[in-house]
Amino acid sequence: AQKVTQAQTEISVVEKEDVTLDCVYETRDTTYYLFWYKQPPSGELVFLIRRNSFDEQNEISGRYSWNFQKSTSSFNFTITASQVVDSAVYFCALSEAHGSGNTGKLIFGQGTTLQVKP
Amino acid sequence: DSGVTQTPKHLITATGQRVTLRCSPRSGDLSVYWYQQSLDQGLQFLIQYYNGEERAKGNILERFSAQQFPDLHSELNLSSLELGDSALYFCASSPSGGSARDEQYFGPGTRLTVT
Repeated sequence: AQKVTQAQTEISVVEKEDVTLDCVYETRDTTYYLFWYKQPPSGELVFLIRRNSFDEQNEISGRYSWNFQKSTSSFNFTITASQVVDSAVYFCALSEAHGSGNTGKLIFGQGTTLQVKP
Repeated sequence: DSGVTQTPKHLITATGQRVTLRCSPRSGDLSVYWYQQSLDQGLQFLIQYYNGEERAKGNILERFSAQQFPDLHSELNLSSLELGDSALYFCASSPSGGSARDEQYFGPGTRLTVT
């Protein structure tokens, strides 16, 4: 069965520290997509990144980087030199190309609350 | 601002009542999704529409129904409301066919409180 686990419920860091948010997924599908979304205190979910199951290249976007490892079924998210504005709940999500009939059904993890203190 | 709009922003109603949540997708997006976010269940997929047709269904209660209209806006109807239905309801939209690869853009949500 498909599942996304974010074992870290809450993380607290001091500004400028690096922080890694873990995401482990389960799927039997061979073609799937992984996403990260950010939910700031305002409540709206903001899309950050999408990876497909065939592309294990790490990705960097400014202070954000993502490490996808199929061997460990993980898709971790690192924020370098964290800032107070990074404080939010971060969600990892999975969609399956075959298991869901190639629909857009997203399976979310429980989320990790990141608090960055000044 | 994602371009997805949802109304109302907040809704307070009593048990047993019926409410309608409205969503307008981003311009040009044909797929609309509904999600429920609650403290105990987390973020759960409810239903997806593509160009007016139901495309996928999640753990949506029988008391809940949705539709997508010809102008592509969507409504989620919740009836016989229970205390446990209190949650944040998100609408999202995506371009193209609404497939597994599509990134979804979320609206600001409707916070429903059932008293």
